[in-house]
Amino acid sequence: ELKVEQNPLFLSMQEGKNYTIYCNYSTTSDRLYWYRQDPGKSLESLFVLLSNGAVKQEGRLMASLDTKARLSTLHITAAVHDLSATYFCAVVANTGTASKLTFGTGTRLQVTL
Amino acid sequence: NAGVTQTPKFQVLKTGQSMTLQCAQDMNHEYMSWYRQDPGMGLRLIHYSVGAGITDQGEVPNGYNVSRSTTEDFPLRLLSAAPSQTSVYFCASSLDTRLAGANVLTFGAGSRLTVL
Repeated sequence: ELKVEQNPLFLSMQEGKNYTIYCNYSTTSDRLYWYRQDPGKSLESLFVLLSNGAVKQEGRLMASLDTKARLSTLHITAAVHDLSATYFCAVVANTGTASKLTFGTGTRLQVTL
Repeated sequence: NAGVTQTPKFQVLKTGQSMTLQCAQDMNHEYMSWYRQDPGMGLRLIHYSVGAGITDQGEVPNGYNVSRSTTEDFPLRLLSAAPSQTSVYFCASSLDTRLAGANVLTFGAGSRLTVL
């Protein structure tokens, strides 16, 4: 059974600081997603990482994937308050004709002024 | 495009009552799924479907039924609600059943269910 772990679960950081969220998963997969969720809202897709060594960047967020280590990171550069949200990684597991997405527990990011 | 539409947004039930959460998408997506979100547990897959007439169980299917009579609709039924089913429910869909390439899951706005 695929397990996906994120750490930290909660992160409070000051504006302007850098930090990294980690996502580990237990079985082989070649696709990983990062989603953002604002309080009381739905999930918004941020990145799709499709292969080993993949790196995607959007603004102050950069995601990478190491399939050999079964690890993805979401790096935050010079955090701003607008990045406050919960971030989820999700890993694809293939089952015959369909795939299932297994989510991590989420990292709640709070950026303070 | 409306995307993925869920109704109702909020619902309060008493233990033992039944109800159906509705999910509809207008993107001609083959893949549809239901997740529940509980504090500290992320999102857990309840049921999913790869096309009309085809459904399968996810991680936490007990207490829930689904059907897929059309491509557009994927309702989730609670036959006898229990307090443990208090949660936020999300419906999500994707064009590709294998989530291949850059296909992502598109989520609905969520339905908050409280069972007393």
